[in-house]
Amino acid sequence: AQSVSQHNHHVILSEAASLELGCNYSYGGTVNLFWYVQYPGQHLQLLLKYFSGDPLVKGIKGFEAEFIKSKFSFNLRKPSVQWSDTAEYFCAVNSGGYQKVTFGIGTKLQVIP
Amino acid sequence: DTGVSQDPRHKITKRGQNVTFRCDPISEHNRLYWYRQTLGQGPEFLTYFQNEAQLEKSRLLSDRFSAERPKGSFSTLEIQRTEQGDSAMYLCASSSAGSTDTQYFGPGTRLTVL
Repeated sequence: AQSVSQHNHHVILSEAASLELGCNYSYGGTVNLFWYVQYPGQHLQLLLKYFSGDPLVKGIKGFEAEFIKSKFSFNLRKPSVQWSDTAEYFCAVNSGGYQKVTFGIGTKLQVIP
Repeated sequence: DTGVSQDPRHKITKRGQNVTFRCDPISEHNRLYWYRQTLGQGPEFLTYFQNEAQLEKSRLLSDRFSAERPKGSFSTLEIQRTEQGDSAMYLCASSSAGSTDTQYFGPGTRLTVL
């Protein structure tokens, strides 16, 4: 069975600080990887996704993620966060030809002005 | 707004009552998914439809839960004899067919069972 681990449950950063949120998954086969974001009072939105090709994926709002197959990781990065990035971030995976998407527990990011 | 819509947004019910939620997917999407999210957790997959066929079901979906998508458009999720442990946010998502399809989520229905 596939599973997703997110290392940090709460992260507090000052504006302009760099961000890296860790994500590891467990599944040995071909995977599709996602980062979703949920801003306060809003529904889940896709931030970026990896299906194949270049392991460095760029998403909206300056976010990027790198798929490292040997480490089963898909960490999310942003070089300089803004107050508006305050949100909850979910790493997710689906695999094996199934449509089910497995989510991590989420990381709450608070950016202090 | 052409996104996924869900109704109602909030539902408060007493234990033992039946509840039904509705999801309207993005119009051109033929795949529809239900997830459940409890406080402090990520969404958990419940079930998935392609058109009107229910193709995957989670073991989380007990026999008190039933989902339908009779015409391959909107879907309903019914919970019979609700229990306090059913309190959660119920999320619907939709996608178009394809190996790289992305699921787009609705705002969810928050269920509180008293």
